[in-house]
Amino acid sequence: NAGVTQTPKFRILKIGQSMTLQCTQDMNHNYMYWYRQDPGMGLKLIYYSVGAGITDKGEVPNGYNVSRSTTEDFPLRLELAAPSQTSVYFCASSYSGLGEEETQYFGPGTRLLVL
Amino acid sequence: DAKTTQPTSMDCAEGRAANLPCNHSTISGNEYVYWYRQIHSQGPQYIIHGLKNNETNEMASLIITEDRKSSTLILPHATLRDTAVYYCIVGGVNAGGTSYGKLTFGQGTILTVHP
Repeated sequence: NAGVTQTPKFRILKIGQSMTLQCTQDMNHNYMYWYRQDPGMGLKLIYYSVGAGITDKGEVPNGYNVSRSTTEDFPLRLELAAPSQTSVYFCASSYSGLGEEETQYFGPGTRLLVL
Repeated sequence: DAKTTQPTSMDCAEGRAANLPCNHSTISGNEYVYWYRQIHSQGPQYIIHGLKNNETNEMASLIITEDRKSSTLILPHATLRDTAVYYCIVGGVNAGGTSYGKLTFGQGTILTVHP
């Protein structure tokens, strides 16, 4: 299994541009998550999904959108990039969100720089 | 989710045991204790989790006090590659009896293993 894969690895955006961060998992996990990590800080949850067609906001959803049309894919969309969105973005997945099965597996991250 | 408290940083000599403490005094009865680590620039990596009993796997041991208000992650023979930020996280069932698998990442403990 490849686990959780993310593309691109690095991207520079100009203010106001848009882009989609891709995330794919091949573990047949139901739950998927998007986090952002600012320098020297812990991870903050942006959006999560408990299954195809179901998404919900996390701690810091403003400026982002997500969709979940398949079990495998969970893309994160930035519509109008702002310097405050400069961060490292991690996608994760877990089999479920319940107790023993909450273990999350993370992708390698996407580094985004907005200038 | 219950909040956790960890020391900001710790040092350990290579080959010695690293004992990382965590306080989670507000943990509820059905919440698990999870440990993840993040090596520089990489996505977080799952280490171990437990509910009440002590747990051991190929990476580490987890000791949970009887009152469940604190725990200790033990790396039995630390190596230079164990230098990372270690996150203690409490997660599981929310007040409504269901969980969406939210993991709240704090600042973690920066563990530095010295030669």
